[in-house]
Amino acid sequence: AQTVTQSQPEMSVQEAETVTLSCTYDTSESDYYLFWYKQPPSRQMILVIRQEAYKQQNATENRFSVNFQKAAKSFSLKISDSQLGDAAMYFCAYRSAVRGGGSNYKLTFGKGTLLTVNP
Amino acid sequence: NAGVMQNPRHLVRRRGQEARLRCSPMKGHSHVYWYRQLPEEGLKFMVYLQKENIIDESGMPKERFSAEFPKEGPSILRIQQVVRGDSAAYFCASSQALNTEAFFGQGTRLTVV
Repeated sequence: AQTVTQSQPEMSVQEAETVTLSCTYDTSESDYYLFWYKQPPSRQMILVIRQEAYKQQNATENRFSVNFQKAAKSFSLKISDSQLGDAAMYFCAYRSAVRGGGSNYKLTFGKGTLLTVNP
Repeated sequence: NAGVMQNPRHLVRRRGQEARLRCSPMKGHSHVYWYRQLPEEGLKFMVYLQKENIIDESGMPKERFSAEFPKEGPSILRIQQVVRGDSAAYFCASSQALNTEAFFGQGTRLTVV
């Protein structure tokens, strides 16, 4: 079974600075997707960024980028120019992409990292 | 196009009562997934349904929990005889097809008193 580990329960960053959230995962599969979700106090789960394992290029979405290290099974999220609205719980998640696989619709989540942005 | 709609947002039940949580998927989506988020935890998969069919309920507790997604109307997650340990946020997500992106609702926070 796949597992996702977020080793930082809490992180803080100054407004306009850069912060990196860590995520490692364990899988025996070679084809999968990785995601970062943001959960603000409203509890809405918002997809921040997505990475396909077969792509070597790291995904980017405006101020959000990832450092995907497949061999190390590491998937960190970098937030540049942090804004007050970035304050939230951030979850790393894994989903199998194996065709015909038994569970390629299930998301496996880490426990989350609470990000505080200081003005 | 409205997103995934869940209601109620907050639900309080006494021990032993029944809880019914509703989820209306996005328009055009026929795949529905339920997840549970316990305090201080990430979301955990419970069940995957397509219209009128339960595809995978491997994450559902064996007793007291059931889910349905009828031909007409929302998907329902039903918890009978609730206990304090059922207190959690329950999230629904929907997707257009298998392997396509799933979109989440805002969740229902169930509190058992």
